[in-house]
Amino acid sequence: GAVVSQHPSWVICKSGTSVKIECRSLDFQATTMFWYRQFPKQSLMLMATSNEGSKATYEQGVEKDKFLINHASLTLSTLTVTSAHPEDSSFYICSVHPTSGLPYEQYFGPGTRLTVT
Amino acid sequence: KQEVTQIPAALSVPEGENLVLNCSFTDSAIYNLQWFRQDPGKGLTSLLLIQSSQREQTSGRLNASLDKSSGRSTLYIAASQPGDSATYLCAVLANDMRFGAGTRLTVKP
Repeated sequence: GAVVSQHPSWVICKSGTSVKIECRSLDFQATTMFWYRQFPKQSLMLMATSNEGSKATYEQGVEKDKFLINHASLTLSTLTVTSAHPEDSSFYICSVHPTSGLPYEQYFGPGTRLTVT
Repeated sequence: KQEVTQIPAALSVPEGENLVLNCSFTDSAIYNLQWFRQDPGKGLTSLLLIQSSQREQTSGRLNASLDKSSGRSTLYIAASQPGDSATYLCAVLANDMRFGAGTRLTVKP
C-alpha cells in the first residue's frame, strides 16, 4: 500500500525558533498534499492544501506567514512553523493525494508532535 | 459548511461487548465517508471507507453503515477487545475532508 512518512516524528523547540516538518510520499507521486493540525481532544483541522509548483491554499484563520508550506517536488512537502509559540504545540499530520489516484484517495502520514517550551 | 458530529465523546465498555459509534453530518452531498482509528500520539489508520453510493462496508469485526439521506453513519464493533481502545474518527469528503471530534473508546479487560 501507499506509504507516507513524516519527519521528525516529534520535536521540542524553544519559543521563538522555527521548526520544519517534512512529508514524503515514498512510492508514488503526489501533486497535492494536505496539512492538518490536531489539538488535544479536538477534531483534526485542515490547515492548508499544498500543490506542487504553486502557492499553498490556506484555510481561513491559518496565518500563511507563520506556517510556511513548500511543495517543491512531487514527493515532498514541508511545513515550517516560524517563530513558534507554546500555543503552536500540537500534532501535525499530512496527507497525500496520489497524482494518478482516484479523487477521494488520501493517505495519511504518521504525524509529528510539536512541543514549544 | 459541513459539520461532523460524533456521539458519544467517550465510551468505556467491558471486554467482549458489542458497541456502536455514531457519526452525523449536516450536508449529504458527499463523495464518501471514512472511519479512522487514532492511537495516542500516533497518526491515523483508515478502517473503512464507504462510497456515497454504498450502504455499508465490513472488515473483520468492524461494520460501518451509511445513510446519506439522513446524514448518519455508524461504526459497529463486535466482541470488543482491549486492543480496540483508541479514538475513532469519522470524516466526510466533499469539497474537502471534514472530521468529527472523535469517540474515545476504552475496552476494559
